[in-house]
Amino acid sequence: KTQVEQSPQSLVVRQGENCVLQCNYSVTPDNHLRWFKQDTGKGLVSLTVLVHENDKTSNGRYSATLDKDAKHSTLHITATLLDDTATYICVVGDRGSALGRLHFGAGTQLIVIP
Amino acid sequence: EAAVTQSPRSKVAVTGGKVTLSCHQTNNHDYMYWYRQDTGHGLRLIHYSYVADSTEKGDIPDGYKASRPSQENFSLILELASLSQTAVYFCASSDQGQGYAEQFFGPGTRLTVL
Repeated sequence: KTQVEQSPQSLVVRQGENCVLQCNYSVTPDNHLRWFKQDTGKGLVSLTVLVHENDKTSNGRYSATLDKDAKHSTLHITATLLDDTATYICVVGDRGSALGRLHFGAGTQLIVIP
Repeated sequence: EAAVTQSPRSKVAVTGGKVTLSCHQTNNHDYMYWYRQDTGHGLRLIHYSYVADSTEKGDIPDGYKASRPSQENFSLILELASLSQTAVYFCASSDQGQGYAEQFFGPGTRLTVL
């Protein structure tokens, strides 16, 4: 059973618009949550990591929130650029140690058009 | 520049044939991982290693072997390739186990088994 669900599956926005990507999970325990960006044909690159109960992070035009009670995270992208076209993957770690496992979502494919 | 590289970047193999995928990292990391990515699904862990000459099974090890001859190199071996092993394979490294530490990913190898 999929333990990390991302929505929407795909999203098309115009350059300059804002967008919000959602991640819901059932992983227990939920030690941390990380958002990755995957350009087409490339590997995953970390955007941000959230650790605490109601964490909020910001990395340039990317900002993220985590609600551990609701097991929900959002990734906000402000003023999108064409280079933001990519798949965004939510990953939940069930421990903060070497014994932990990472649980990957299937990703949201974002397409930014001129 | 620290990096994770994979070779080949793409490969076509015949059913029943042997396939070796190679990964090299210059991050000086102890941990290395092999994942597979199937369309519409999240990455899944096949094998990992935390020290040279030792490998561990991940979540889906059946049909795969791994080899870690040195800290820098980690190979994934398909002794008898099958159609179901068609996927994109990613190698990653981290300086700690699958906990909080960020994993750095290679660009992936697209394997097609015919």
